Amino acid sequence: KNQVEQSPQSLIILEGKNCTLQCNYTVSPFSNLRWYKQDTGRGPVSLTIMTFSENTKSNGRYTATLDADTKQSSLHITASQLSDSASYICVAYSGAGSYQLTFGKGTKLSVIP
Amino acid sequence: GAGVSQSPRYKVAKRGQDVALRCDPISGHVSLFWYQQALGQGPEFLTYFQNEAQLDKSGLPSDRFFAERPEGSVSTLKIQRTQQEDSAVYLCASSSGLAGDMYEQYFGPGTRLTVT
Repeated sequence: KNQVEQSPQSLIILEGKNCTLQCNYTVSPFSNLRWYKQDTGRGPVSLTIMTFSENTKSNGRYTATLDADTKQSSLHITASQLSDSASYICVAYSGAGSYQLTFGKGTKLSVIP
Repeated sequence: GAGVSQSPRYKVAKRGQDVALRCDPISGHVSLFWYQQALGQGPEFLTYFQNEAQLDKSGLPSDRFFAERPEGSVSTLKIQRTQQEDSAVYLCASSSGLAGDMYEQYFGPGTRLTVT
């Protein structure tokens, strides 16, 4: 069964600090991996999409990395802001005729002043 | 409209009632997805439409769940004889590309269903 595991489950950091969120996926075959940001009471918003051949992709202060050999991804947030407080969800897509994305449970990030 | 909209935003139903949840995707988007998100969990796939064709409904948890997109734009998710375990946020997403490719999925704000 395809699975996506994220850690930590929750994280509290001071404004201005950096943090890294982790994602391990068991999806076979593997096509692409996405990171989404979900504010409370809102739908997820895409941050990055990476194929198996990409190692890193940045979107402003967000940088995602992907190691397709170890099936691990990380999302690094630089110089955190209060508005970064949200859940960050890792999502894997296997392709191979499937229409389904496999979502992790998310990491709940709280940035405090 | 500028984004995906869903209505109602909140719905309280008594156990056994039928409910209908509406999704207005971004105009012209080919793909439409429905997801169920339980509290503290990530979204789980329910069903996928490519235009008006429902190509995958394998995620629908029971035959009480039914989705349609008759004209390839607006979609409705219907839940018959609601049960308490149906309480969740129901998210709709649309994409200009086909399922799973590199096109973005744009999510609506969701409908929070509470079954009492």
